Amino acid sequence: ELKVEQNPLFLSMQEGKNYTIYCNYSTTSDRLYWYRQDPGKSLESLFVLLSNGAVKQEGRLMASLDTKARLSTLHITAAVHDLSATYFCAVDRLGETSGSRLTFGEGTQLTVNP
Amino acid sequence: KAGVTQTPRYLIKTRGQQVTLSCSPISGHRSVSWYQQTPGQGLQFLFEYFSETQRNKGNFPGRFSGRQFSNSRSEMNVSTLELGDSALYLCASSPRTVGVGNTIYFGEGSWLTVV
Repeated sequence: ELKVEQNPLFLSMQEGKNYTIYCNYSTTSDRLYWYRQDPGKSLESLFVLLSNGAVKQEGRLMASLDTKARLSTLHITAAVHDLSATYFCAVDRLGETSGSRLTFGEGTQLTVNP
Repeated sequence: KAGVTQTPRYLIKTRGQQVTLSCSPISGHRSVSWYQQTPGQGLQFLFEYFSETQRNKGNFPGRFSGRQFSNSRSEMNVSTLELGDSALYLCASSPRTVGVGNTIYFGEGSWLTVV
């Protein structure tokens, strides 16, 4: 059974600081996703990582993937209040009939304080 | 370009009733999947449909069912509702061609409360 673990689950940080969220998964994966969720809202796609060594950046967020270590990181640079949200990583494995299913981590609740 | 549309957005049902939720994927997307989100269990996969065929199913009881129509719109049904079915139900769509990495887009969700 595929398991996805994120840490930390709760992160409170000061504006302007840097931090990293970690996402470990238990078996080989076909691709890895990062999503953001604001309270009471749906999931907003941030990144899709397809291969070992993949790195993607958007604004103050950068995601990377190490398939050998089964680890993805989401790095936050110079945090601002608007980044406060819950961040999920999700691993996609193609099913027996080539369908897909996302297995999500527990989510990291990020609060950026002024 | 319109996003993933889910209806209804909010609904309250009584235990034992059934409910049908609807999802219209992004135009041109043929894969639709459903997820349940609760505070206790997090985000859990329900099922995925592609070209009207269920390709994957999560570990939910048979009370949870779905279908996809020829225009890619999808519905999910929950029969004999239980209090524990109260959740945010999210629909996701993707172009989804096997072997191709595609972004999976989520709708705003349907908030179901069972009383």
